[in-house]
Amino acid sequence: GAVVSQHPSRVICKSGTSVKIECRSLDFQATTMFWYRQFPKQSLMLMATSNEGSKATYEQGVEKDKFLINHASLTLSTLTVTSAHPEDSSFYICSASRAGSEQYFGPGTRLTVT
Amino acid sequence: QKEVEQDPGPLSVPEGAIVSLNCTYSNSAFQYFMWYRQYSRKGPELLMYTYSSGNKEDGRFTAQVDKSSKYISLFIRDSQPSDSATYLCAMSRITGGGNKLTFGTGTQLKVEL
Repeated sequence: GAVVSQHPSRVICKSGTSVKIECRSLDFQATTMFWYRQFPKQSLMLMATSNEGSKATYEQGVEKDKFLINHASLTLSTLTVTSAHPEDSSFYICSASRAGSEQYFGPGTRLTVT
Repeated sequence: QKEVEQDPGPLSVPEGAIVSLNCTYSNSAFQYFMWYRQYSRKGPELLMYTYSSGNKEDGRFTAQVDKSSKYISLFIRDSQPSDSATYLCAMSRITGGGNKLTFGTGTQLKVEL
């Protein structure tokens, strides 16, 4: 159990467009989901924490108007990168957790902005 | 100073060797400790989850926590080429998956035939 999926696994978009990434907990209900980004050969940097039905909490330095997070249900959270620029190119990873449990990570989404 | 320090490696060992991976931390508020394995271009996979000081064993993996020294380790016995990956330590202040994790930078391990 505790499987988390992400879609798409890879996306290429043009500068100025928006991209939506989905994160789903497949076999459990996730009370909290987290969004991370990871640059090559670096560790995971937490972007935001979201609880189902409430607004996401963003980490310092992360623009909430640029990285829109929606956690509409206990199994789905979405991250929308708005007006993407080349510097937004990165590996985006979500994780999901249930109450009193550790975090389970998705396989990641590689975003390339041209 | 970073809250969690981890040697980035790379660490190269022959097949069958015992591997020792380590992290130190500065914040005594950390109470829960995890080790994740991340293959290239994949999400992290949870390997070990510990709380108490001491050892926890799971197959070829042993996690060790020394809260008095603020030092955690992951040992891999009989290492295999398939163990080649980046190993991330992570820790949190209180239990519950809804709490933020603080990660080390990760150690890149290569197990050679």
